[in-house]
Amino acid sequence: GNSVTQMEGPVTLSEEAFLTINCTYTATGYPSLFWYVQYPGEGLQLLLKATKADDKGSNKGFEATYRKETTSFHLEKGSVQVSDSAVYFCALSESGFQKLVFGTGTRLLVSP
Amino acid sequence: SQTIHQWPATLVQPVGSPLSLECTVEGTSNPNLYWYRQAAGRGLQLLFYSVGIGQISSEVPQNLSASRPQDRQFILSSKKLLLSDSGFYLCACPDTDSYNEQFFGPGTRLTVL
Repeated sequence: GNSVTQMEGPVTLSEEAFLTINCTYTATGYPSLFWYVQYPGEGLQLLLKATKADDKGSNKGFEATYRKETTSFHLEKGSVQVSDSAVYFCALSESGFQKLVFGTGTRLLVSP
Repeated sequence: SQTIHQWPATLVQPVGSPLSLECTVEGTSNPNLYWYRQAAGRGLQLLFYSVGIGQISSEVPQNLSASRPQDRQFILSSKKLLLSDSGFYLCACPDTDSYNEQFFGPGTRLTVL
C-alpha cells in the first residue's frame, strides 16, 4: 500500500539556520505530494504541494521538489524563523482519489 | 472557499462514556468528507470518509463509528470510549479551489481518562 516516511523529530535549530526535513514515499501510480503544517494549538494548513515529477512547490520561503527517481519530497528553507516552529507533515494523494496518506510528522523547534 | 466547523474544541471524557463529535461544512455542496485522528506520538490516520449522505467507508477497524445525516454534516461517535481513543480529531473536505487538496477543520482534542 501507499506510505510516507518522514525523518524523526524534533528538529531543533537556531534562527536563520538552514532547514531540511526529509520525506520519502511509496506509492502505486502517480501521487500528488503535499506538505502540511500544524502550528501549536491549531489544525492543519496546506504549506505547499507538487502534482507531478520535477514540480517544485513553494510557499513562505519553504520549498520541496517532487523527485520521482528517489521517491522523495524533502522540505527546505534557507533561513528559519522562530515563527516556523510547528509540526510538519508530508502526505500523498493518489491521482483521482482524495484520501491523504500522512507521514508521522516532524516537530520543528526554532530558538532565537 | 469553504469553512469547516468542529465542536467541541476540547473534550475530556471518562473511559466507557459515549462520544459524539460534530463537523459541519459551509461553502460547498455534496463534498467528500473525512475524519482523521492524530494520536500522541503518531501521525495522522484516516478513520472514515463519506462521498454522500448515508454513505460511510471505514479505513481501519476500531471502536468508533461515523454517520452522515445531512449533506454537510459528519459525525464521529462511540458507544464506549477507550483510553486509546484519545487524540486530536480532524474533519476535512476537498478544497473548493483545488480539488486534489484537502481543507481541514480546527480539530477536536479528546482526552479519555
